[in-house]
Amino acid sequence: EAEVAQSPRYKITEKSQAVAFWCDPISGHATLYWYRQILGQGPELLVQFQDESVVDDSQLPKDRFSAERLKGVDSTLKIQPAELGDSAMYLCASSLETGLQLFFGSGTQLSVL
Amino acid sequence: SQKIEQNSEALNIQEGKTATLTCNYTNYSPAYLQWYRQDPGRGPVFLLLIRENEKEKRKERLKVTFDTTLKQSLFHITASQPADSATYLCALPFGGGGATNKLIFGTGTLLAVQP
Repeated sequence: EAEVAQSPRYKITEKSQAVAFWCDPISGHATLYWYRQILGQGPELLVQFQDESVVDDSQLPKDRFSAERLKGVDSTLKIQPAELGDSAMYLCASSLETGLQLFFGSGTQLSVL
Repeated sequence: SQKIEQNSEALNIQEGKTATLTCNYTNYSPAYLQWYRQDPGRGPVFLLLIRENEKEKRKERLKVTFDTTLKQSLFHITASQPADSATYLCALPFGGGGATNKLIFGTGTLLAVQP
C-alpha cells in the first residue's frame, strides 16, 4: 500500500541551529501539505503545494521557515534558526484532490533544546 | 473567523457501548466534513467524509451525521473495542474552492475504551 514517507522520524537540535525535514508523497498526488501539531492540539496547516506552486503559506513563519517542492514531487521544510517554541510534530500529507482524503506520513518529532 | 470545537475532555466508555463524539463549527458553511483517527506518535488516518447534502454516512461500525442547521457533526462507534482507543479529529475545508481549499482540523477528542 502506498504511503507518505517522512524523515527523520525524530530530531533533537539546539536553538539557533538549522533543521530540515523531508517528505515524499504518494505517487500521483498533486497536493502536498505540511502541518505542525503541538501536543494536545489539532494539526495546523503551515504550507500547501499544488504541484510545485505554493497555494497557501499564510500560517508559515516566513522569517525562519521555508518550504520547497522543486519538481512537484518530494518536498523539504526548513527552519533556521530553530527556537524553543518550534518543538512539535511536523506532519506531511498528500492528496489526489485538494482537501479531500489526506494521507499523512508518520511525522517528524522535533525537540529544540 | 472560522472555529471548530471538539470535546477537549477525554471520553471514557465501556467495551461494547456506543461512543459518540461531537464536532461543532461556527462562522461558515462547509461543503463537506471529514473524520480522522490519530494514534499516539502517528499521523492522522482518514476515516469518513460526509457532504453537506448527506444526513448520515456509515462504514462498518462507524456512523457520521452532518446537521448543517445546527452546524454540528456527530461521530458514532458502535460495539466499541479497546482497539478503538485513539484521538478522533474532525476537519473542514476552508478557502476559495479548488486548489486553494485548505483543510482545518479541530483539536480532537481522546477516546478510551475500557475492557
